[in-house]
Amino acid sequence: DTAVSQTPKYLVTQMGNDKSIKCEQNLGHDTMYWYKQDSKKFLKIMFSYNNKELIINETVPNRFSPKSPDKAHLNLHINSLELGDSAVYFCASSQVPGGAVDTQYFGPGTRLTVL
Amino acid sequence: AQKVTQAQTEISVVEKEDVTLDCVYETRDTTYYLFWYKQPPSGELVFLIRRNSFDEQNEISGRYSWNFQKSTSSFNFTITASQVVDSAVYFCALGSGNTGKLIFGQGTTLQVKP
Repeated sequence: DTAVSQTPKYLVTQMGNDKSIKCEQNLGHDTMYWYKQDSKKFLKIMFSYNNKELIINETVPNRFSPKSPDKAHLNLHINSLELGDSAVYFCASSQVPGGAVDTQYFGPGTRLTVL
Repeated sequence: AQKVTQAQTEISVVEKEDVTLDCVYETRDTTYYLFWYKQPPSGELVFLIRRNSFDEQNEISGRYSWNFQKSTSSFNFTITASQVVDSAVYFCALGSGNTGKLIFGQGTTLQVKP
């Protein structure tokens, strides 16, 4: 019954490693997003995809690469992890296609810790 | 530029008190949407309400109510008779334009003490 799911929930890794976070939604939504929440709880959009097409790329280092194999999945791959990448990463989805504003439903978050 | 300001960083109240969380937004768009989300200590983000710029009617849902005033660019959230379970971080967000992205405020941490 989970609407937006993310795996893993916790991810602890060393600097320099490459890691991926997976996101799946079973709501039938057309648009998916990645947000980063820093240690001060500030939430900022990173990417959005509409039916596998990139809509938003918000000045994120190119070490971050989203991949959308289909409209129900949006994965986040991070190369050469740095200490500053430590954060909680949230996946979200919304129904309306084409980049229109709509209610976004969030996954449970993935807490990434880079040592 | 679009911006959302939640000036109250932390609020602490005693159970059964009423509390209002402030949200002020900036946008040049005439069509936009405002949202409130709740982030309890467990960490998930829970959608509470969405309002569009053409609908200034206040809304009440149980103990929650929202006051949208375009004249002051504010979308405030009031919890009546607060309960310990209301303790959370509350985010106000603004969405407009053709990208679908939401701009979040800094969040207000509400602590309700028994």
